[in-house]
Amino acid sequence: SVLTQPPSVSGAPGQRVTISCTGSSSNFGTNYDVHWYQQLPGTAPKLLIYGNNNRPSGVPDRFSGSRSGTSASLAITGLQAEDEADYFCQSYDTSLRGSIFGGGTKLTVL
Amino acid sequence: QVQLVQSGSELKKPGASVKVSCRASGYTFNTYAMSWVRQAPGQGLEWMGWINTDTGKPTYAQGFTGRFVFSLDTYVSTAYLQITSLKAEDSAIYYCARDLLGFGGGWFDPWGQGTLVTVSS
Repeated sequence: SVLTQPPSVSGAPGQRVTISCTGSSSNFGTNYDVHWYQQLPGTAPKLLIYGNNNRPSGVPDRFSGSRSGTSASLAITGLQAEDEADYFCQSYDTSLRGSIFGGGTKLTVL
Repeated sequence: QVQLVQSGSELKKPGASVKVSCRASGYTFNTYAMSWVRQAPGQGLEWMGWINTDTGKPTYAQGFTGRFVFSLDTYVSTAYLQITSLKAEDSAIYYCARDLLGFGGGWFDPWGQGTLVTVSS
């Protein structure tokens, strides 16, 4: 994948975890934003964060996004069992002239 | 509410064709682009391209030219993905997703529930 994510992260209930997403000058180095999706087992992806750090209506404020240089992060605080899912980052690549996704990170709640 | 509803699972033989539908409701169909995303079994998300729902012009991502066709029926607010000359490696879940900026440059929301296409002899 053009965007690099760790394959897995884990944390205990109540803890804070972060998921990184690393890009390059042709994507994160441009003006295009990064977005995050949550995919619960057996379901379609759902928008979690858009425009680097904005939450759609209904997404708990336990979820937050940030971006700096050619990397971005998703932070989840107060981890809950229902947060166990795959998380994907997404942006636009000017060299490929298309949207790109990270490889996905599986979050396990211990 | 804004919703995308896709057609059901398909089982096809190699060499056949399949057409997946994605019906939109809750918004004016031709005011947002539609993107298509593939997810192979146990794998990540792969953007296939998008279609301008106002002009009908499709744009395909690298690796999705030739056998993949995006089309529309604006009268029923529906986008279609057709795949011809199916191969085993086309087996995947295919999602449609409303593309908030168009051309894949923005975020995708909402997503259809996905259509599983299985290619097997």
